Amino acid sequence: DTGVSQDPRHKITKRGQNVTFRCDPISEHNRLYWYRQTLGQGPEFLTYFQNEAQLEKSRLLSDRFSAERPKGSFSTLEIQRTEQGDSAMYLCASSPGQGLGNTIYFGEGSWLTVV
Amino acid sequence: AQSVAQPEDQVNVAEGNPLTVKCTYSVSGNPYLFWYVQYPNRGLQFLLKYITGDNLVKGSYGFEAEFNKSQTSFHLKKPSALVSDSALYFCAVRDTSGTYKYIFGTGTRLKVLA
Repeated sequence: DTGVSQDPRHKITKRGQNVTFRCDPISEHNRLYWYRQTLGQGPEFLTYFQNEAQLEKSRLLSDRFSAERPKGSFSTLEIQRTEQGDSAMYLCASSPGQGLGNTIYFGEGSWLTVV
Repeated sequence: AQSVAQPEDQVNVAEGNPLTVKCTYSVSGNPYLFWYVQYPNRGLQFLLKYITGDNLVKGSYGFEAEFNKSQTSFHLKKPSALVSDSALYFCAVRDTSGTYKYIFGTGTRLKVLA
């Protein structure tokens, strides 16, 4: 079990450019989550998937953000026309699908700096 | 709305002393509560959780947490702090209002002084 993997770990981009982050969940975990964390704050929920279905999106997720999980395995989070306010760490997490009290396991995060 | 509160931004404790990091929650229905730790520039690592059963939950690295339903609290504890415990600690609750999202507190920075 290799844990949740995120790529890239760090990304510096110019304002207005598009960026994409990838997340590979723990094998056989069918729930996958994206969170955003800014300095000094707790993780804020963005969206989650059950297999390939995106079941909930936060109001934080503007139209410039899109997430996919096409085959129910890895997921991508794309941010279009980046703004300086998008600078944050983007965290991916996964959990088994069954049970109410499942633990979610996080990856190491992808740091985004928009300059 | 489901929520957790961590009333202390920072907790300082001397090495070898017991530590407590506080968390209170607000949920409708049964609470599913979690503690995570975060080291600089890293993701969150799971420490322990309360689902049901004993009010004292034991977790990783010698940490434990006490669930108190009447006080709606889930405080993290350790009998003897280590300098290496210095990190950011987050309490979380699983939303039970029909979604599967987890809601995190704002975090408490623990500083263990040698």
